Amino acid sequence: DTAVSQTPKYLVTQMGNDKSIKCEQNLGHDTMYWYKQDSKKFLKIMFSYNNKELIINETVPNRFSPKSPDKAHLNLHINSLELGDSAVYFCASSQEGLGNYGYTFGSGTRLTVV
Amino acid sequence: KQEVTQIPAALSVPEGENLVLNCSFTDSAIYNLQWFRQDPGKGLTSLLLIQSSQREQTSGRLNASLDKSSGRSTLYIAASQPGDSATYLCAVGPDYKLSFGAGTTVTVRA
Repeated sequence: DTAVSQTPKYLVTQMGNDKSIKCEQNLGHDTMYWYKQDSKKFLKIMFSYNNKELIINETVPNRFSPKSPDKAHLNLHINSLELGDSAVYFCASSQEGLGNYGYTFGSGTRLTVV
Repeated sequence: KQEVTQIPAALSVPEGENLVLNCSFTDSAIYNLQWFRQDPGKGLTSLLLIQSSQREQTSGRLNASLDKSSGRSTLYIAASQPGDSATYLCAVGPDYKLSFGAGTTVTVRA
């Protein structure tokens, strides 16, 4: 079973559309994250949620709205998509105290805005 | 603001050679430092985590050192294999807000 799963894997959409990416983890971790990897391969934190509560919002435009219905799920909704939103979005989870191998990433969602 | 730099950006070695990957960070007040591996089109796999109080961690052929005072970490991979070909990313914590370097892309030639 996949530990952190994201859907969809690929998403191609037009400017101005609204889209969502879903993420689920079955590891029992209490913290989940969204990261963005741009064309230069830099990974940047967007949001961190701990037990469904937002703890980090790293200056992300408010067109991006994360939602955590429970601690196993963290979805990302994006309104009014722009060309610059094209990137790979990674969901991840971790559990404090697990040490090595605690931080687990999903396989990414490649978003292309045309 | 934490800035993480990885040198070199790319590395190509023949099989069997040892690999040395470097990571530097600007703010030494880190919680931990992690090394990840990313394969093309895939997510990241955690390799090693060094807590701020530790100086090194080892796992099999991998050894990572941490020198907080100089803001540096080095990942050593002994006796490289073609399967080690990937991008290696360094990240400094805390966990809830990792700052990543741009990675070193490694190619191990058979």
